[in-house]
Amino acid sequence: DAGVTQSPTHLIKTRGQQVTLRCSPKSGHDTVSWYQQALGQGPQFIFQYYEEEERQRGNFPDRFSGHQFPNYSSELNVNALLLGDSALYLCASSFGPGTNSPLHFGNGTRLTVT
Amino acid sequence: TQLLEQSPQFLSIQEGENLTVYCNSSSVFSSLQWYRQEPGEGPVLLVTVVTGGEVKKLKRLTFQFGDARKDSSLHITAAQPGDTGLYLCAGESGTASKLTFGTGTRLQVTL
Repeated sequence: DAGVTQSPTHLIKTRGQQVTLRCSPKSGHDTVSWYQQALGQGPQFIFQYYEEEERQRGNFPDRFSGHQFPNYSSELNVNALLLGDSALYLCASSFGPGTNSPLHFGNGTRLTVT
Repeated sequence: TQLLEQSPQFLSIQEGENLTVYCNSSSVFSSLQWYRQEPGEGPVLLVTVVTGGEVKKLKRLTFQFGDARKDSSLHITAAQPGDTGLYLCAGESGTASKLTFGTGTRLQVTL
């Protein structure tokens, strides 16, 4: 039973570029949430996708966008990268958007912006 | 904006010692979760506490939710090197997917 998988594991980009991160949820899960974890801090909620729609959003600018596909996998896109976007991006899956289904996290994508 | 502050930020202890990590907020949460995160990995859920005053035990780990559901503590008895990691508390006040995470406590247990 595969858990949450994220790709790539590491990525280096230059300021102003665009990046796409990918996530496959745990088998049986239909909801994907994305979190940003800056170095030395706790994760911060970016947004949640369910039924291919963005259901909730945290305090992140429009440069951060996402998508969910019919197979429940998801992408996180960040445009016009800033140095401050350097962080570990975590994907978490669960069953249903509003239930008490526990979150299962992937191992993240480490993004470095130079 | 809901904030969760953890203390201490860093803790370095020897094997066999006891420790307590605190998670405090001015906001009320419907539930509070504790995670452990190891380098290069995502957070792994340890426990969820829901009721004010609730105490849960997981082997040598004891978790408590404050009566007012604004704070929580994690106590580890006889720490082992395998307990090393980043401990994160996370509060839920809406849906389970939109968690507010604490600032984290980095624990190192040495032989």
